[in-house]
Amino acid sequence: DTAVSQTPKYLVTQMGNDKSIKCEQNLGHDTMYWYKQDSKKFLKIMFSYNNKELIINETVPNRFSPKSPDKAHLNLHINSLELGDSAVYFCASSQDLVREQYFGPGTRLTVT
Amino acid sequence: QQQVKQSPQSLIVQKGGISIINCAYENTAFDYFPWYQQFPGKGPALLIAIRPDVSEKKEGRFTISFNKSAKQFSLHIMDSQPGDSATYFCAARGRGSTLGRLYFGRGTQLTVWP
Repeated sequence: DTAVSQTPKYLVTQMGNDKSIKCEQNLGHDTMYWYKQDSKKFLKIMFSYNNKELIINETVPNRFSPKSPDKAHLNLHINSLELGDSAVYFCASSQDLVREQYFGPGTRLTVT
Repeated sequence: QQQVKQSPQSLIVQKGGISIINCAYENTAFDYFPWYQQFPGKGPALLIAIRPDVSEKKEGRFTISFNKSAKQFSLHIMDSQPGDSATYFCAARGRGSTLGRLYFGRGTQLTVWP
């Protein structure tokens, strides 16, 4: 009964490939987020969806495209992967934009 | 531009001691200040949070002290235990045009020696 889950846990791929990370929450929350944690553990928000609508889109290369098929799911698709994309990607959710955010376990992406 | 500055980067405390982590912010457009705890291989977990109209909040061994005029807040962990060894992140949540965005400090690696 995991609250926020992500798949896969680990993802190793080569430069130039396209990959997707999936996130699901069973908390009934309306808002979901993607964060990137770099090798120095710095966490930075990338995107946020509220009721399936994109509301936060930080300065992220347009190779990254989030998609929310419904309120419980938020996926992250990355095109033409680069070495610098190697990081841990966290999904999070909250009841709305002003409530506490709960994080998933993360997906460690390694680009070789 | 780092919105939230956190120190120290690492902290070693003996079991039973007090761990203190400090954060400072510049932007006044923040309305909520959470602390997250992260264990290796796990996602950040909300530990405790405070709003700027309160100067202190205590939950068990964890206390946040908030100084609005100085734009500083800190986490105190009393009676630190080896199980508290983790990375701690302070954060500040935006409002208005930055509503919903959490801006994180760079983290403090806490090690509690038994």
